[in-house]
Amino acid sequence: GQNIDQPTEMTATEGAIVQINCTYQTSGFNGLFWYQQHAGEAPTFLSYNVLDGLEEKGRFSSFLSRSKGYSYLLLKELQMKDSASYLCAVRGMNSGGYQKVTFGTGTKLQVIP
Amino acid sequence: EAQVTQNPRYLITVTGKKLTVTCSQNMNHEYMSWYRQDPGLGLRQIYYSMNVEVTDKGDVPEGYKVSRKEKRNFPLILESPSPNQTSLYFCASSPKTGFGNTIYFGEGSWLTVV
Repeated sequence: GQNIDQPTEMTATEGAIVQINCTYQTSGFNGLFWYQQHAGEAPTFLSYNVLDGLEEKGRFSSFLSRSKGYSYLLLKELQMKDSASYLCAVRGMNSGGYQKVTFGTGTKLQVIP
Repeated sequence: EAQVTQNPRYLITVTGKKLTVTCSQNMNHEYMSWYRQDPGLGLRQIYYSMNVEVTDKGDVPEGYKVSRKEKRNFPLILESPSPNQTSLYFCASSPKTGFGNTIYFGEGSWLTVV
């Protein structure tokens, strides 16, 4: 099966940097996603990592270590609008041999002035 | 515009009254799935489909049915809804798994069963 762990809540200050960690266990790993979700809205795609290393996209960066089953999402120059839940999701293999994406429960980030 | 469209967006229904939530995508994606989202439990997969006429159970399939007769459509059927199916539902699509790196979500359907 697949198991994903990420912190439930975090608080950070506007203008600062915050790192949201995600650890996972899966068979047949084939990629890790980060999504942003504002309350009551659909998740929106932020990043995708399939190889080890850092992917940078503007204020957002995502890191992956496959050997450690670990990823983090780094948000720089925090803005109030970054207050949202951040979902870590892993694509792996299910018991039927099909690839499957499993989402973590999300990290609710509150940005304060 | 690439999109996943689901309807209805909001619905209040009574226990036992069959309902269908429709989902349609215009990106010619092979893979589609349904999730429900509940406080503290995150997104849980209900059913998924690898392609036309190929569907399989996700993590929480009890009480739900799906069909995939056409590539673009993937309706979710609640034959006899119960209050524990009150939730926020998302339909999602993506290119054939193993290719592409983005999952597209519909806007969500708020379902209340009383």
